[in-house]
Amino acid sequence: GQQLNQSPQSMFIQEGEDVSMNCTSSSIFNTWLWYKQDPGEGPVLLIALYKAGELTSNGRLTAQFGITRKDSFLNISASIPSDVGIYFCAGGSPRVNDKIIFGKGTRLHILP
Amino acid sequence: KAGVTQTPRYLIKTRGQQVTLSCSPISGHRSVSWYQQTPGQGLQFLFEYFSETQRNKGNFPGRFSGRQFSNSRSEMNVSTLELGDSALYLCASSLEGISNIQYFGAGTRLSVL
Repeated sequence: GQQLNQSPQSMFIQEGEDVSMNCTSSSIFNTWLWYKQDPGEGPVLLIALYKAGELTSNGRLTAQFGITRKDSFLNISASIPSDVGIYFCAGGSPRVNDKIIFGKGTRLHILP
Repeated sequence: KAGVTQTPRYLIKTRGQQVTLSCSPISGHRSVSWYQQTPGQGLQFLFEYFSETQRNKGNFPGRFSGRQFSNSRSEMNVSTLELGDSALYLCASSLEGISNIQYFGAGTRLSVL
């Protein structure tokens, strides 16, 4: 079945550093989504991508839909303490009514 | 516009009991999906309901079931609870189908003792 490989699994960075994480798959997706989950809460949508090559920003966050439609990355610039959490990528299949596939998440830790 | 509402937020049960969780989707959303999340795991897909019909199903035992009402509200039931069922259960709604953007509720934290 379809799988998403999200990396890294966890990151420890200093406040102010830039962050990069990505998702890859052997399957083609027609939608890429990035979510952030704070402890004890549900995931919140950060960025949605609909077209191969698309580059979209949301404040300090930038995400890109890979040209091959099999990958996506998320960058966070100048990290701040509230960026701590788990970031999930999700891919939407071209097949109608197929379920969205989620990556296992990247847990971001920020060192003081 | 109100978001996805899940009740209750926290629940403590003992092994062998059964539990029902509730989810009210965003107004106008017809698709409701349920996920199980345990520490260190990603989002494990349970099932999706669309227009009162189960349309997709994950790889969970038959103890996990759900239903959707005509107003799109959904319930999830777990019978004969096991310790391993302790998890955060998330509900997500989307406008038409599961491949559309999903909006999540805050989840129900279930602890099985």
